[in-house]
Amino acid sequence: DTGVSQDPRHKITKRGQNVTFRCDPISEHNRLYWYRQTLGQGPEFLTYFQNEAQLEKSRLLSDRFSAERPKGSFSTLEIQRTEQGDSAMYLCASSSKQDMNTEAFFGQGTRLTVV
Amino acid sequence: AQKVTQAQTEISVVEKEDVTLDCVYETRDTTYYLFWYKQPPSGELVFLIRRNSFDEQNEISGRYSWNFQKSTSSFNFTITASQVVDSAVYFCALSEGEGSYIPTFGRGTSLIVHP
Repeated sequence: DTGVSQDPRHKITKRGQNVTFRCDPISEHNRLYWYRQTLGQGPEFLTYFQNEAQLEKSRLLSDRFSAERPKGSFSTLEIQRTEQGDSAMYLCASSSKQDMNTEAFFGQGTRLTVV
Repeated sequence: AQKVTQAQTEISVVEKEDVTLDCVYETRDTTYYLFWYKQPPSGELVFLIRRNSFDEQNEISGRYSWNFQKSTSSFNFTITASQVVDSAVYFCALSEGEGSYIPTFGRGTSLIVHP
């Protein structure tokens, strides 16, 4: 298993543009999480999927943000009309349901810079 | 409400020194989980340990040890005989209840180990 994979690793975009990130979780992990991390801060929870169902969303997830996991495998996170405040590292994690509240395995993240 | 406090923003030590990273948490829940993660310069969060609220037994793993004390709501992490490769940001995290993994992370402690 290659672990959680995120693409792209880096993205620079102009303010107002839309961006989409992809996360491929560890195979057979049915839980997938998106976090955002800004400089000097810990990761902040954005949203969580169990299989294809989006079960929880943080208040941080404004209406410009949308996440999908259509077949319960990979997930995408789209940010519309990006703002400079969206500049951050976006982290994806996955975990297995076998052990309740098990640890999640994180990808290396996508660093977004909005100019 | 959850809260995780890592009061030490940055710690600098010389190789072979022992170092303790502090973590203090707040929760009203009786069932909760505590985690430590390491984030090296590459950016990927690496799971180190998970501890549930009913297990106060301290744990040692090689040069790493953890001291969980419910009486003081602390879950401190000690690295013995630190090495340059230990240089990273370390995050303490807390999640409440069963069935999901949505931890609240502290702001992290940056550990710099000098040769």
